[in-house]
Amino acid sequence: ETGVTQSPTHLIKTRGQQVTLRCSSQSGHNTVSWYQQALGQGPQFIFQYYREEENGRGNFPPRFSGLQFPNYSSELNVNALELDDSALYLCASSLGTSGGSYEQYFGPGTRLTVT
Amino acid sequence: SQQGEEDPQALSIQEGENATMNCSYKTSINNLQWYRQNSGRGLVHLILIRSNEREKHSGRLRVTLDTSKKSSSLLITASRAADTASYFCATDRNTGGFKTIFGAGTRLFVKA
Repeated sequence: ETGVTQSPTHLIKTRGQQVTLRCSSQSGHNTVSWYQQALGQGPQFIFQYYREEENGRGNFPPRFSGLQFPNYSSELNVNALELDDSALYLCASSLGTSGGSYEQYFGPGTRLTVT
Repeated sequence: SQQGEEDPQALSIQEGENATMNCSYKTSINNLQWYRQNSGRGLVHLILIRSNEREKHSGRLRVTLDTSKKSSSLLITASRAADTASYFCATDRNTGGFKTIFGAGTRLFVKA
């Protein structure tokens, strides 16, 4: 167990809806990253937050947005859901710097299904 | 698109044998990390090697990094059935913002 928790575990949404996924970081960690993992693929980097500021972003459209709170927990919001958004969403926390993070500790993921 | 590419895509070995997985990447990096994932669950961090390091050991794991060839290898010695999992390399870079890029992974099956 890494101490990183995610909620909910599973979620089913309809195309066009909006979803919010949550992540609690491991104690002492100040950085959180979010990833999307399609079946049989490696995780794709969505973005990273360091001390409540986004400090890196992958090739995802603006309808993917996030927040990091003062206690370093985080949310991933996805608007206007599309069928291709169906995936496992992973969050990872780490003790980082403004230049990036190091060992990342992953939560168990949220399985999102869009119908 | 993925920066890291692992090979082989799948590997099946007998318990006790060694398993070697390779990773290649395309641009300069700060660090390279290896992770394990069991059955679509969360990833477990195995080892981090910095761009100025060439080799690192952790228990039965040995990682090498060749920045001139933009490649890394993960060796698992004396494999066990419990090592059955998917293994991913991930590269960290901080150019125009921080990014971690994962490869598609190697699926390792260790037969008892």
